[in-house]
Amino acid sequence: SQQGEEDPQALSIQEGENATMNCSYKTSINNLQWYRQNSGRGLVHLILIRSNEREKHSGRLRVTLDTSKKSSSLLITASRAADTASYFCFSFGNEKLTFGTGTRLTIIP
Amino acid sequence: GAGVSQSPSNKVTEKGKDVELRCDPISGHTALYWYRQRLGQGLEFLIYFQGNSAPDKSGLPSDRFSAERTGESVSTLTIQRTQQEDSAVYLCASSLVWKQFFGPGTRLTVL
Repeated sequence: SQQGEEDPQALSIQEGENATMNCSYKTSINNLQWYRQNSGRGLVHLILIRSNEREKHSGRLRVTLDTSKKSSSLLITASRAADTASYFCFSFGNEKLTFGTGTRLTIIP
Repeated sequence: GAGVSQSPSNKVTEKGKDVELRCDPISGHTALYWYRQRLGQGLEFLIYFQGNSAPDKSGLPSDRFSAERTGESVSTLTIQRTQQEDSAVYLCASSLVWKQFFGPGTRLTVL
């Protein structure tokens, strides 16, 4: 599969602040998904946004998608210590899977 | 319901030995993925099974790596003649459509 890119690679913020991370991909997509990984083990699905959607919300999560720029952003509002994790984006298009290298988010209590 | 399970959870082996890692996907999931994640690094795609189609093996790093899947059920990832650089967490995921459900991973340590 092709590698996308995420930035920043690492992000540290104070608890209560908002965290924004970005993802870029290379080919046209059907959808893009964000996953969270705690402690270097299995990933957990957070949210899926389809190629014809521009913004989607789920609880404290807001995802945007800009297909013209081939990019997506994940916003976590009112961050909590439990949000400390690595975040990955996966994109699916033309039967190809692309994913980023992940953003390591640290929430400082 | 039961999620994706992987066994063993941890495996320590000596360089040059063969290892088999097992993944039990969620029942009914047609797609199954294997990934590798070295310590502190991102994910590496290894192989993808979709139904009865030929698997996408484009991510397998060498011919020492192989994987099989029995129908739409269990999959095994085999690493022959293990090397120290094979040390990593091996993650399996299954999906019905787009959303992947990940197993807890197998941590492989090659001494």
